[in-house]
Amino acid sequence: EVQLLESGGTLVQPGGSLRLSCAASGFTFTNYWMTWTRQAPGKGLEWVANINADGSQTFHAASLKGRFAISRDNVKNSAYLQLNSLTVEDTAVYYCATAGLAGAFDHWGQGVLVTVSS
Amino acid sequence: ELVLTQSPGTLSLSPGERATLSCRTSQSVWNTLLSWYQQKPGQPPRLLIHGLSLRATGIPDRFSGSGSGTEFTLTISTLEPEDFAVYYCQYNGGSFGPGTIVDIK
Repeated sequence: EVQLLESGGTLVQPGGSLRLSCAASGFTFTNYWMTWTRQAPGKGLEWVANINADGSQTFHAASLKGRFAISRDNVKNSAYLQLNSLTVEDTAVYYCATAGLAGAFDHWGQGVLVTVSS
Repeated sequence: ELVLTQSPGTLSLSPGERATLSCRTSQSVWNTLLSWYQQKPGQPPRLLIHGLSLRATGIPDRFSGSGSGTEFTLTISTLEPEDFAVYYCQYNGGSFGPGTIVDIK
């Protein structure tokens, strides 16, 4: 069974940084692209970033203006999202997911809450 | 930048009715990279349709996807009580549409 477990969510002050982790199990991690998507309270889904299977290519939403960075460790079967220069607008549940056929996000974690507030 | 729009914003229907949800892209795209997701309150999204019309594992056949160019459709042939949720389209592992709420009339 595919399992994705996000961690690292917390309350952080504006301007702060945070690293989210996504621990994967139940599938061959090195065969899959990984992704992060976020959802602000009461809002829709916002794609954040993708990383290819070997970690050599990353793609980030332009709206993030270079503040976030996706990475992965194929030895630890984990994906990461580094969040920098956080603002209150970054408050959201952050989901990791696998990207399978035709770029579709086929397995999702339960999400982790990041709250940016002073 | 590709922009996805969805209509209607809210669709109020009764169980047993047919639901037709629209997703439009700001430019013509490859059909096979269009996906649809369902999300219920307090849950992560669930993949319904990938590659325009292929149902994900375990998705019942009352869900179908179609379209081409810039206009795409998710159809739920006969609404079941568990289908009342928010539906999102997505293109090529990137931006999502704003979503359509399917609620009970």
